[in-house]
Amino acid sequence: NAGVTQTPKFQVLKTGQSMTLQCAQDMNHEYMSWYRQDPGMGLRLIHYSVGAGITDQGEVPNGYNVSRSTTEDFPLRLLSAAPSQTSVYFCASSYSITLNTEAFFGQGTRLTVV
Amino acid sequence: AQSVTQPDIHITVSEGASLELRCNYSYGATPYLFWYVQSPGQGLQLLLKYFSGDTLVQGIKGFEAEFKRSQSSFNLRKPSVHWSDAAEYFCAVGSYGGSQGNLIFGKGTKLSVKP
Repeated sequence: NAGVTQTPKFQVLKTGQSMTLQCAQDMNHEYMSWYRQDPGMGLRLIHYSVGAGITDQGEVPNGYNVSRSTTEDFPLRLLSAAPSQTSVYFCASSYSITLNTEAFFGQGTRLTVV
Repeated sequence: AQSVTQPDIHITVSEGASLELRCNYSYGATPYLFWYVQSPGQGLQLLLKYFSGDTLVQGIKGFEAEFKRSQSSFNLRKPSVHWSDAAEYFCAVGSYGGSQGNLIFGKGTKLSVKP
């Protein structure tokens, strides 16, 4: 099993550019989520999905879009990159939204917006 | 509001010494508690979890944690630290969704290990 795969690992964008961070899982998990990690801030939830076709906003959703057309994929779109979006982004998945399931994390995407 | 507090931002211990990382939570119901570890440049890996039952839980890599309801704490311990334990450690509490999703994380404690 590959687990949770994120691409790319590193990305540099210019202010105003758009891009998509890819996330795929091969564990048939229904719950997927995107976090951003900033120094001293821990992990903050951007968006999450409880199943194909269902998404919702997390704690810091502004400037990001998501969609969930399949169980496996949960891409994160930056509409118009800003320097404040410089961060490390993690995708996570778990078997269900219930509390007693472990979350599996991808390796992260380090994004720099200049 | 639900929250997780890790009071120590950075801890340095000598190799072979014991370790305790603190975690306090605020949660209205019975909490589901997790400890994750993040090695440099890596994603998060689950160390251990508490759902119910025995309040002392064992995890991977020789770690254990004790749930103390009266203190709202879930501290992580290891009797003898190895250099490879240098990493950042995150405590998390399971929630019922909402804007923080189904996991609420503390801000993390960075562990450095002296030779």
